[in-house]
Amino acid sequence: DQQVKQNSPSLSVQEGRISILNCDYTNSMFDYFLWYKKYPAEGPTFLISISSIKDKNEDGRFTVFLNKSAKHLSLHIVPSQPGDSAVYFCAASARQTGANNLFFGTGTRLTVIP
Amino acid sequence: DVKVTQSSRYLVKRTGEKVFLECVQDMDHENMFWYRQDPGLGLRLIYFSYDVKMKEKGDIPEGYSVSREKKERFSLILESTSTNQTSMYLCASIGGAGGFYEQYFGPGTRLTVT
Repeated sequence: DQQVKQNSPSLSVQEGRISILNCDYTNSMFDYFLWYKKYPAEGPTFLISISSIKDKNEDGRFTVFLNKSAKHLSLHIVPSQPGDSAVYFCAASARQTGANNLFFGTGTRLTVIP
Repeated sequence: DVKVTQSSRYLVKRTGEKVFLECVQDMDHENMFWYRQDPGLGLRLIYFSYDVKMKEKGDIPEGYSVSREKKERFSLILESTSTNQTSMYLCASIGGAGGFYEQYFGPGTRLTVT
């Protein structure tokens, strides 16, 4: 049973435009959310995170928005660059339970077209 | 910088062979994880360990075992490989409770079972 869902397997965006990647979750115990970026033949690298006490976290071109009532988060990349082309994974954990393991979505492949 | 290394980048094995994947982290992290990544399924947790000689099953432990004899080293063992274990295997580590919840990943091992 997938507790973290990324319903769009792929997304194509023109360079310079905004990329919006979406993620939904079902477990109300999740209180910490992360986005990872993965290039082919490499391990995922951490991009940005957000705690459930916030609704927005920004880091340069990357912003993550959290809507707890909808159990939805999104990653905005603006402006998008060709180097952003990768697979993006959303992940969640239930820190309040003391657990450290992450639950991952299935990933969204972003292609930024020059 | 946290460094997580994996013993092999690519492996090709025949059905029934034993496979031993080793992961080493250099940040004195208590928690270590093994995932497999498959297209359309995202990252699925196989096993994790929160201390030396401790292990917990993840979502898909069948056909796998693990070993954590030293804090920095977490090994994944496939006693008798099958073709459905062809996958990308990713190791990760994370700091202690109350610290970072950002998992650091190794570069991955692409295992092909023929």
